[in-house]
Amino acid sequence: AQKITQTQPGMFVQEKEAVTLDCTYDTSDPSYGLFWYKQPSSGEMIFLIYQGSYDQQNATEGRYSLNFQKARKSANLVISASQLGDSAMYFCAMREGFGAGNMLTFGGGTRLMVKP
Amino acid sequence: SAVISQKPSRDICQRGTSLTIQCQVDSQVTMMFWYRQQPGQSLTLIATANQGSEATYESGFVIDKFPISRPNLTFSTLTVSNMSPEDSSIYLCSVGAGLTGGEQYFGPGTRLTVT
Repeated sequence: AQKITQTQPGMFVQEKEAVTLDCTYDTSDPSYGLFWYKQPSSGEMIFLIYQGSYDQQNATEGRYSLNFQKARKSANLVISASQLGDSAMYFCAMREGFGAGNMLTFGGGTRLMVKP
Repeated sequence: SAVISQKPSRDICQRGTSLTIQCQVDSQVTMMFWYRQQPGQSLTLIATANQGSEATYESGFVIDKFPISRPNLTFSTLTVSNMSPEDSSIYLCSVGAGLTGGEQYFGPGTRLTVT
């Protein structure tokens, strides 16, 4: 059974500083994908970044990067130069296999609060 | 990419009634997923809907309570039946895309409150 763990229920970060949100996962499938989503108070799920299990390099998307440590089964999200608009819930998710028809399983989420 | 719309965006319903949520995608997709997010919680998969076949439900969710239709490759509905206050949640429709499985999109969600 797959499992996603986010150990930080809530975090504060000072505006313009970098922050790391932790995510560990557990799967026996060698083929999997890891996703990060942002959920503002409006409730929409905004896709941030994706890492495939066979990707050699860490994924990056603008201010977002994914620190993928396969042996440790961790996929931490790094947000650089935090902005007030980054305040939201952040969810890590995993899909076993690479098919678009496979479900995502989500972690419990981390609430990030950016202080001015 | 895929653009997903949902109707209604929010609703307040009385217990014992039913609500049907619509999900429309701007491209043809094989699988559509329905998730529930209870207040302060993470997302939990309700069921996977494949066009032309019965939906597959996750443990803890049954067809009588959450019937799903999937009449074509761009549309699906989820009905929340005989509602109770415990059904108050955000319901999200989701689709996967891309050849490598690296894309998963969500609709804007339906925020349901049951009184």
